[in-house]
Amino acid sequence: DAKTTQPNSMESNEEEPVHLPCNHSTISGTDYIHWYRQLPSQGPEYVIHGLTSNVNNRMASLAIAEDRKSSTLILHRATLRDAAVYYCIRVDNNNDMRFGAGTRLTVKP
Amino acid sequence: KAGVTQTPRYLIKTRGQQVTLSCSPISGHRSVSWYQQTPGQGLQFLFEYFSETQRNKGNFPGRFSGRQFSNSRSEMNVSTLELGDSALYLCASSLFGGWAGNTIYFGEGSWLTVV
Repeated sequence: DAKTTQPNSMESNEEEPVHLPCNHSTISGTDYIHWYRQLPSQGPEYVIHGLTSNVNNRMASLAIAEDRKSSTLILHRATLRDAAVYYCIRVDNNNDMRFGAGTRLTVKP
Repeated sequence: KAGVTQTPRYLIKTRGQQVTLSCSPISGHRSVSWYQQTPGQGLQFLFEYFSETQRNKGNFPGRFSGRQFSNSRSEMNVSTLELGDSALYLCASSLFGGWAGNTIYFGEGSWLTVV
């Protein structure tokens, strides 16, 4: 089954880095990994995506394991506004999207 | 520029009725996709339209249908509503079709309650 698996929840302290893991053990070489987050009562918001190499943008970094069977979303300094459900999504060439169940991130002041 | 706009935001329908949800994509975006989100099943892909053609379809019954107009606006319809259709329905748009390597922009969703 082409699932992604994520922890149900994680906690972080404000101003500290957060590492959100995702397992995608059946990934193939051309599958992309996307991360989105969803705040309460809002639609999902794009965070980052990547294929093979690590990726950085103004919101976060994405570290992809060498065998590509797992990836980690890194928020360098968590703020209270980063509290959300984070979804790891695997996308193949046929545009088949496999959403993880999401990780609920709680940020403590 | 304006984001993805969905209407209505909230609605209540009775079992057996049908419902139509509307989505206006970001200006210039030709791809519109629809998703269902429920506490039990999470986010599930319904279908995607690009330039008025359905390009991809998820694993939902034929009661779920959609269309896209020449101005890229899209509608989805659910006929013969069931209680299990109660969900948040999300619309998303993008410049290019598909997800791979693409950035998808979501609307705030339409909350459907079937009673």
